[in-house]
Amino acid sequence: DAGVIQSPRHEVTEMGQEVTLRCKPISGHNSLFWYRQTMMRGLELLIYFNNNVPIDDSGMPEDRFSAKMPNASFSTLKIQPSEPRDSAVYFCASSLAASGGAETQYFGPGTRLLVL
Amino acid sequence: AQSVAQPEDQVNVAEGNPLTVKCTYSVSGNPYLFWYVQYPNRGLQFLLKYITGDNLVKGSYGFEAEFNKSQTSFHLKKPSALVSDSALYFCAAGSNAGGTSYGKLTFGQGTILTVHP
Repeated sequence: DAGVIQSPRHEVTEMGQEVTLRCKPISGHNSLFWYRQTMMRGLELLIYFNNNVPIDDSGMPEDRFSAKMPNASFSTLKIQPSEPRDSAVYFCASSLAASGGAETQYFGPGTRLLVL
Repeated sequence: AQSVAQPEDQVNVAEGNPLTVKCTYSVSGNPYLFWYVQYPNRGLQFLLKYITGDNLVKGSYGFEAEFNKSQTSFHLKKPSALVSDSALYFCAAGSNAGGTSYGKLTFGQGTILTVHP
């Protein structure tokens, strides 16, 4: 079975441009998580969905960030406009939320974003 | 609020020696504890988890972790380290308190493990 798929794997853009990151969770999983990883701040949870519904977006840094999950097999994280401080590795993870806290999250390979 | 602490930013061991990467947690309700490993330019990879039962959990690549409820710890261990074990290790916690968790985990800040030849 394919794991979590993210695209693109690398993105280089200029400040002010719109960036869209994509994620396909593992088939059958019902929770999806977006994380950001930087040297300075470590691994941060940005937002997560359950059954395609956003549950908690308190980790989204500001209004320039938005995320959607139009169906069970696809999610996007959008940054508009992008800024150099958004440069980071963005991970998507999915899990089958059924046991109330004991579910394993499976991570994608990440998208390495560089904003010039 | 849940929290996970990894008190060591870096751990250095010689190949063949035992290794320990430390983790302490604070959660309400029953804790569910995880270890993940991240190799350079890769995503986080699941190693093992504790849900209930035996306090010693065995996982991938010869790693194991010991759950200690009284010390609220979940240290990762391996009897004989390999150079290829060098990576970034994350401890994470979930719980069944406060209603539905939706699978959310709280991660520690990570520990860089370096195994020297």
